Amino acid sequence: EPEVTQTPSHQVTQMGQEVILRCVPISNHLYFYWYRQILGQKVEFLVSFYNNEISEKSEIFDDQFSVERPDGSNFTLKIRSTKLEDSAMYFCATGGRYGYTFGSGTRLTVV
Amino acid sequence: DAKTTQPPSMDCAEGRAANLPCNHSTISGNEYVYWYRQIHSQGPQYIIHGLKNNETNEMASLIITEDRKSSTLILPHATLRDTAVYYCIVRNDNNNDMRFGAGTRLTVKP
Repeated sequence: EPEVTQTPSHQVTQMGQEVILRCVPISNHLYFYWYRQILGQKVEFLVSFYNNEISEKSEIFDDQFSVERPDGSNFTLKIRSTKLEDSAMYFCATGGRYGYTFGSGTRLTVV
Repeated sequence: DAKTTQPPSMDCAEGRAANLPCNHSTISGNEYVYWYRQIHSQGPQYIIHGLKNNETNEMASLIITEDRKSSTLILPHATLRDTAVYYCIVRNDNNNDMRFGAGTRLTVKP
């Protein structure tokens, strides 16, 4: 069964550093998403990406976040200057019109 | 998107059917009902979706009331591995993003 692959599985970074989270989507999917889940809280939508541009973003997705597909395959989430409160699981999802497939997530710990 | 209401938690005996309710009283005609689940801290997993007809797949059945204001996800023979948080989401066919609520924490007990 096709999978969405996320790397790394766990990232520890110092406050103020930049991090890039990577996702390899399912090959024929056209829509890409990032979600985050702070420990013990609900899954929160960050951004959706289609046709090489952001189609929707939440209020969480501020100027410190950016997304891109640099090589037409990987889908990345960059956090420019991490804060303690960015510590969370970050899930990539890809899909089409009827439902998404989620990756297993990257656990980001900001210290 | 319409909002949904789910009980925060439910228990179910292993081997019995688990019936998870969801209210979506403000759903509009072009909105689908989706169910996902999240086992521990894994990524959410798609279960099933429907518009107005009842649906069944290898994982579950989805029963949608005739007025579409509520639905029930049925796991016919729950196992311990079905312990998870189950999310009911309504989504406009033209709206790409999926918004998660708090869901129902289902605990399957031996």
